[in-house]
Amino acid sequence: AQTVTQSQPEMSVQEAETVTLSCTYDTSENNYYLFWYKQPPSRQMILVIRQEAYKQQNATENRFSVNFQKAAKSFSLKISDSQLGDTAMYFCAFTKPPQSRMDSNYQLIWGAGTKLIIKP
Amino acid sequence: GAGVSQSPSNKVTEKGKDVELRCDPISGHTALYWYRQSLGQGLEFLIYFQGNSAPDKSGLPSDRFSAERTGGSVSTLTIQRTQQEDSAVYLCASMNAAGETDTQYFGPGTRLTVL
Repeated sequence: AQTVTQSQPEMSVQEAETVTLSCTYDTSENNYYLFWYKQPPSRQMILVIRQEAYKQQNATENRFSVNFQKAAKSFSLKISDSQLGDTAMYFCAFTKPPQSRMDSNYQLIWGAGTKLIIKP
Repeated sequence: GAGVSQSPSNKVTEKGKDVELRCDPISGHTALYWYRQSLGQGLEFLIYFQGNSAPDKSGLPSDRFSAERTGGSVSTLTIQRTQQEDSAVYLCASMNAAGETDTQYFGPGTRLTVL
C-alpha cells in the first residue's frame, strides 16, 4: 500500500524568505504522480504543483518548485520569496495510474499536512 | 468556467439524524470523488464515480454512508443516523478523465458538525 508522510506539522518563516516543506512516500510503483495542494482557511484545496514520476526534471510554477528524488522517494516543495498569502495548510499527495481499463480511479493518497505561517 | 461547488457550506445536525451533502462538478468532468477530512488530518478517500460505470465504494467507512450521481453530473453524499465521529469536512473533487487525466479540482467542502 502507498503511504505519504509529511514530517513537519508546522513551520513559520518571515515574509520574503525561502521555505522548504518535506514529503516522503512509499510505493512499489514505477509510474505515478505527485502533487502539492494548498488549503487556506477558506478550505478550498488548490493545486500548487504536480510532478510525473517518469520525468526527471523538477516541476516549477513561478515561486514554487519541487525537489523530486525518485530513488529516495522524496518530494519536497520550495517556496521562494514567500508572501503573506502563502499562509495555509500544504498537503502532499500521491496517485498512480489505474491498473486496468476497468479501473480508472486516480484516488489520491494524502499526507497529514504542514501548516505554513508567513510572518510579516 | 465555474469550479466545483458544494452545498451546504456548513451543516450542524443532531446525532441520529440523516444528512445530505451536494456536489456540483466542473461541467464536462466525468470523474467525481468524495473525500473526508477529519480535524488536523489529511484527506481520506470515500467514493469515486466515473461516467456511467459502477462507483468505487471501497473507501466508505460504514453502511451508513452512501452516494449517488445523477445524470453523470451532480452527486449527493448521504450519511444516515449520524454519529459524532462523522464530524469532518467533506470535500468533493472532479477530474476530466478524457483529457488531463491525473489532476483533481476541489470544491470548498461542507463542514459537518454532529452534536
